[in-house]
Amino acid sequence: GAVVSQHPSWVICKSGTSVKIECRSLDFQATTMFWYRQFPKQSLMLMATSNEGSKATYEQGVEKDKFLINHASLTLSTLTVTSAHPEDSSFYICSARDYQETQYFGPGTRLLVL
Amino acid sequence: GEDVEQSLFLSVREGDSSVINCTYTDSSSTYLYWYKQEPGAGLQLLTYIFSNMDMKQDQRLTVLLNKKDKHLSLRIADTQTGDSAIYFCAESITGGGNKLTFGTGTQLKVEL
Repeated sequence: GAVVSQHPSWVICKSGTSVKIECRSLDFQATTMFWYRQFPKQSLMLMATSNEGSKATYEQGVEKDKFLINHASLTLSTLTVTSAHPEDSSFYICSARDYQETQYFGPGTRLLVL
Repeated sequence: GEDVEQSLFLSVREGDSSVINCTYTDSSSTYLYWYKQEPGAGLQLLTYIFSNMDMKQDQRLTVLLNKKDKHLSLRIADTQTGDSAIYFCAESITGGGNKLTFGTGTQLKVEL
């Protein structure tokens, strides 16, 4: 089956630093990837849609300068949380869409900002 | 608007069947999905159903769709302790860029 990986799986950083999270589709090409955020015991909130070779589309209320997305290739999208603050602490999950338009999810990255 | 609701919690005994329900409001859904999330992990796609289907069965999983009532259910036969997780339904909308709208999630607890 389709496999999506994320790296790192968890990260702890100091307030004010930037953190980059990678999302890779391992055995298929994905022109579109999605980035979600999940708070404890809550559902997933879509942050942005990442399109290969073009700018990401952000959901309402998500700061594009805060959450930088780069979809460098058909198998890699990155999310950079710039100048992270404690309120950015969350579980970040990516998904990649295959040619049949099914989304496969990565294992998630837990971010803790001190 | 898009609004997907699920009951928060379901407890069943091992070996029994579990039925997890989901209601949605957008009638232009194309696909409806069920995902499973174990603690601290990402989402695992369990199954999906196209909106013009009424039922889909895949081993222990049965999905029922009542499009008139906008009601989706997932039945897990012979529920095992390994089925304990949070289950999310999700819908994708025609013309919505295949974005998924997730339900609130149902925590399934399987007891011995």
